[in-house]
Amino acid sequence: DSGVTQTPKHLITATGQRVTLRCSPRSGDLSVYWYQQSLDQGLQFLIQYYNGEERAKGNILERFSAQQFPDLHSELNLSSLELGDSALYFCASSVGPLGAGNYNEQFFGPGTRLTVL
Amino acid sequence: QQQVKQSPQSLIVQKGGISIINCAYENTAFDYFPWYQQFPGKGPALLIAIRPDVSEKKEGRFTISFNKSAKQFSLHIMDSQPGDSATYFCAASPDLGNEKLTFGTGTRLTIIP
Repeated sequence: DSGVTQTPKHLITATGQRVTLRCSPRSGDLSVYWYQQSLDQGLQFLIQYYNGEERAKGNILERFSAQQFPDLHSELNLSSLELGDSALYFCASSVGPLGAGNYNEQFFGPGTRLTVL
Repeated sequence: QQQVKQSPQSLIVQKGGISIINCAYENTAFDYFPWYQQFPGKGPALLIAIRPDVSEKKEGRFTISFNKSAKQFSLHIMDSQPGDSATYFCAASPDLGNEKLTFGTGTRLTIIP
């Protein structure tokens, strides 16, 4: 158990709908990352938040948005859903950026499996 | 644009054998190279990581070999065990003070008795 929790575990919805995925980081971690894992695209970085502020952006669609709240939990909002959005969405957390040349481990949650019908 | 290429896509190794997974990268700004292990139904978990200032790092049965000039790195699993059967991802991160990971496409490893 990584200490990162994600809800819900499974989500089935229809095209055009909007969903919210929730992530609670490990205790003490200030950074939250969102990744999308699909069969054709593999694991893709979407976005990172650090202590409530957006820190890095990856291949995140304009229909997707995220935020990190004062209690450090994060939500990923997916709107106008398309069939191609069906994937596993992972949240990861880490202590936070240590500055150039330093890295710390990202701990991944169990993921939310989104199915768009 | 895929910045980290991983091979093979799948690998079957006999118990006790050596499993080798290879990755190549293009972006010379990458400065941190972790390997992640993922079991079915679970999130990826960090296995071992290396910085380009060393050519090899060993942790137990797991070794990363790194060739900076060739922009290649590989994972070697010695004495492979059935419990090692999982999907392995190489990844890379730039030295920009953030930790955005670019992942390879994954290798499904199966260890047979």
